[in-house]
Amino acid sequence: GQQLNQSPQSMFIQEGEDVSMNCTSSSIFNTWLWYKQDPGEGPVLLIALYKAGELTSNGRLTAQFGITRKDSFLNISASIPSDVGIYFCAGNNAGNMLTFGGGTRLMVKP
Amino acid sequence: EPEVTQTPSHQVTQMGQEVILRCVPISNHLYFYWYRQILGQKVEFLVSFYNNEISEKSEIFDDQFSVERPDGSNFTLKIRSTKLEDSAMYFCASSEQGGGPIQETQYFGPGTRLLVL
Repeated sequence: GQQLNQSPQSMFIQEGEDVSMNCTSSSIFNTWLWYKQDPGEGPVLLIALYKAGELTSNGRLTAQFGITRKDSFLNISASIPSDVGIYFCAGNNAGNMLTFGGGTRLMVKP
Repeated sequence: EPEVTQTPSHQVTQMGQEVILRCVPISNHLYFYWYRQILGQKVEFLVSFYNNEISEKSEIFDDQFSVERPDGSNFTLKIRSTKLEDSAMYFCASSEQGGGPIQETQYFGPGTRLLVL
């Protein structure tokens, strides 16, 4: 099946620093989504990307849909302690099934 | 803001027992989904449901699993005879419709943590 490779697996940063994480795939996706998951909670949608090359922002978050449709990155600027959590990319390919990446665990030191 | 809700939040059961996990999708949504997440692993698709029938399912969704929309608001996942390896977080999700990428965006519930002993 389709696989999404997400990196890095974990990051431990200082409050105020910028963060970047990315996902790559060997196959094309029509939609890329970025979710955040807090411990014991469900994934919460952060940003959805619908067009190749699209760059979208949501507050301090910026995400881009790669032009080849095989990759996406998520940037968080000026990190704060509540940014702590696991960030997942997910791809949708004209069907109903979301394929998730392995997640990036973000830890922020105050 | 409308949200997906799930009950119970936690369920402990004995191996071999049947469990039913319940979800209330967002009210104007027409597509419903179940995913699971084994502890420490990524979220995996189980099944999607539209117009009272399964539209897609993964290899995980074998004949021990079934889904149902028993009324106009609930969407359930039944596991007939639970196994130890069914222990996981189970997430319900819903989307507005399948007519385009924006309408297909899936929103997740908080999950049910299932522990099979």
